[in-house]
Amino acid sequence: GQNIDQPTEMTATEGAIVQINCTYQTSGFNGLFWYQQHAGEAPTFLSYNVLDGLEEKGRFSSFLSRSKGYSYLLLKELQMKDSASYLCAVRDPLYTGRRALTFGSGTRLQVQP
Amino acid sequence: EAQVTQNPRYLITVTGKKLTVTCSQNMNHEYMSWYRQDPGLGLRQIYYSMNVEVTDKGDVPEGYKVSRKEKRNFPLILESPSPNQTSLYFCASPRPTHQPQHFGDGTRLSIL
Repeated sequence: GQNIDQPTEMTATEGAIVQINCTYQTSGFNGLFWYQQHAGEAPTFLSYNVLDGLEEKGRFSSFLSRSKGYSYLLLKELQMKDSASYLCAVRDPLYTGRRALTFGSGTRLQVQP
Repeated sequence: EAQVTQNPRYLITVTGKKLTVTCSQNMNHEYMSWYRQDPGLGLRQIYYSMNVEVTDKGDVPEGYKVSRKEKRNFPLILESPSPNQTSLYFCASPRPTHQPQHFGDGTRLSIL
């Protein structure tokens, strides 16, 4: 099976930088995803990591270390609209053929003025 | 515009009354799936379909049925809903490399 851990809640200040950590266990790594989800809305895709290292996309960056089973999402220049839940997810191992994602419970980020 | 469309968006019903949540995608994707989201538990896959007439169970299939008679539609059927199926449901249809990139807007079901 697969398991994901991420902090339940975080608070940060507008304009600051915040790092949301995610640790995972999987029987066959096949990609890690980060999603943003505002309350009552559908998740929206932020980033995808399959190789070790940092992927940068504007104010958002995501890092992966497969040997450590660890990823983080870095949000820079925080804006009030970044207040949302951030979901870490790993894809099912290739040998399962399922193509499902296993999601963590999400980290609720509150950005304060 | 690539879309996954779910209906209804909200539904309040009673225990035992059969209901269907529809999902339609306009991207000609082969793969479609259903997730439910509950506080503290995250998103969990209910059923998925690799192609027309090919469906399989996800992590939490009990109490649900699906069908895939045509590529664009993947309805979720609750034959005899119970209160523990009160949840937020998402249909998803991923692109081959980044998935599931396209979620529907969600259906909030309340079973009384």
